[in-house]
Amino acid sequence: DAGVIQSPRHEVTEMGQEVTLRCKPISGHDYLFWYRQTMMRGLELLIYFNNNVPIDDSGMPEDRFSAKMPNASFSTLKIQPSEPRDSAVYFCASSPTGGELFFGEGSRLTVL
Amino acid sequence: GENVEQHPSTLSVQEGDSAVIKCTYSDSASNYFPWYKQELGKGPQLIIDIRSNVGEKKDQRIAVTLNKTAKHFSLHITETQPEDSAVYFCAASPQGAQKLVFGQGTRLTINP
Repeated sequence: DAGVIQSPRHEVTEMGQEVTLRCKPISGHDYLFWYRQTMMRGLELLIYFNNNVPIDDSGMPEDRFSAKMPNASFSTLKIQPSEPRDSAVYFCASSPTGGELFFGEGSRLTVL
Repeated sequence: GENVEQHPSTLSVQEGDSAVIKCTYSDSASNYFPWYKQELGKGPQLIIDIRSNVGEKKDQRIAVTLNKTAKHFSLHITETQPEDSAVYFCAASPQGAQKLVFGQGTRLTINP
């Protein structure tokens, strides 16, 4: 298996623009997680899904953030409108049972 | 909710020496405690984990100990090698939840 695949790997955008980050989990994994990593706040859980259903979105910072999982092989994290404080590395991870997480290589977002 | 504190934030040791990283958690109901290693430009990767019914677990040069009474757990790396240089994260999983709460990370540097 190719592992968790995230795109884009790097994104530079201007404040106010819409940003869409994409994730393809490992086939057969029932759980999908979105994390954000910054120097100040470390690794923060934004939202996670079980069988494509959002279970806990309490980490989503505000209404500008939204996440979807239309099917078992694809998820998106959208920020609209983006702000400079959203600059971070966004990780997608999947898990077969909710225990061990398998992380992608991350999407580094820079909002100017 | 669960809160995980990790110390130290940076650690530098001579090659061949041992390294110890410590974490405390707040939720006494947490029952799963993994450790992740993150190399530059990569996503975190699980290196060892322990569940609350076990006090110690060892895998070659890596060991983890858990003290449920004191609510702390530690990572021990013996005979350190240059490839051990990375950022290490501890985490805790509240009972009944499938999500992980991460510590702030420890940047470990092995000096040749």
